[in-house]
Amino acid sequence: SAVISQKPSRDICQRGTSLTIQCQVDSQVTMMFWYRQQPGQSLTLIATANQGSEATYESGFVIDKFPISRPNLTFSTLTVSNMSPEDSSIYLCSVVHNEQFFGPGTRLTVL
Amino acid sequence: AQSVSQHNHHVILSEAASLELGCNYSYGGTVNLFWYVQYPGQHLQLLLKYFSGDPLVKGIKGFEAEFIKSKFSFNLRKPSVQWSDTAEYFCAPHPPGGSQGNLIFGKGTKLSVKP
Repeated sequence: SAVISQKPSRDICQRGTSLTIQCQVDSQVTMMFWYRQQPGQSLTLIATANQGSEATYESGFVIDKFPISRPNLTFSTLTVSNMSPEDSSIYLCSVVHNEQFFGPGTRLTVL
Repeated sequence: AQSVSQHNHHVILSEAASLELGCNYSYGGTVNLFWYVQYPGQHLQLLLKYFSGDPLVKGIKGFEAEFIKSKFSFNLRKPSVQWSDTAEYFCAPHPPGGSQGNLIFGKGTKLSVKP
């Protein structure tokens, strides 16, 4: 199994600012994933982050808005840049380690 | 476009009632199918999965799901629910050719079980 922690667990931010979300895994994994769950919606994959290469973004998501770092095999960050109220969501980190595991999520509210 | 449909947004049952949550997906080919559950205040966790073989798969806590290829369905069932099954349930097929981890999630079904 894999245990995933995220920081912060929640935050309230002002429009135009940026927030960096951290994801820590208790085992080394090749691929880490960032998802978003907007209110009343399903989880949507934002990007896949492999260690040592640039993240791969899904349609509708761009690096300038959601820059990702993956400095090693147990850690990743997702930054939500120049936030607007539409970015209010739960952001989840996920890894595949025999099966797919999810972090507890970061609940972001943008005012 | 690839999509997943969960038929019920919110299901309310009494304890010991039987449960069936519908899930249909829109694409053909070989797919891997998952159900995830999120208990109040907890992480998403895997409930059960289907890759191949017997289309009736058993998961944790007495849940099972049946893959019906002709109907593009993977419905979740439990013969007798308990109050502790109160949670949100997500169907998540992994589309053919997609990269590992690229699950497409349904909107979820919230299950409330009355004691």
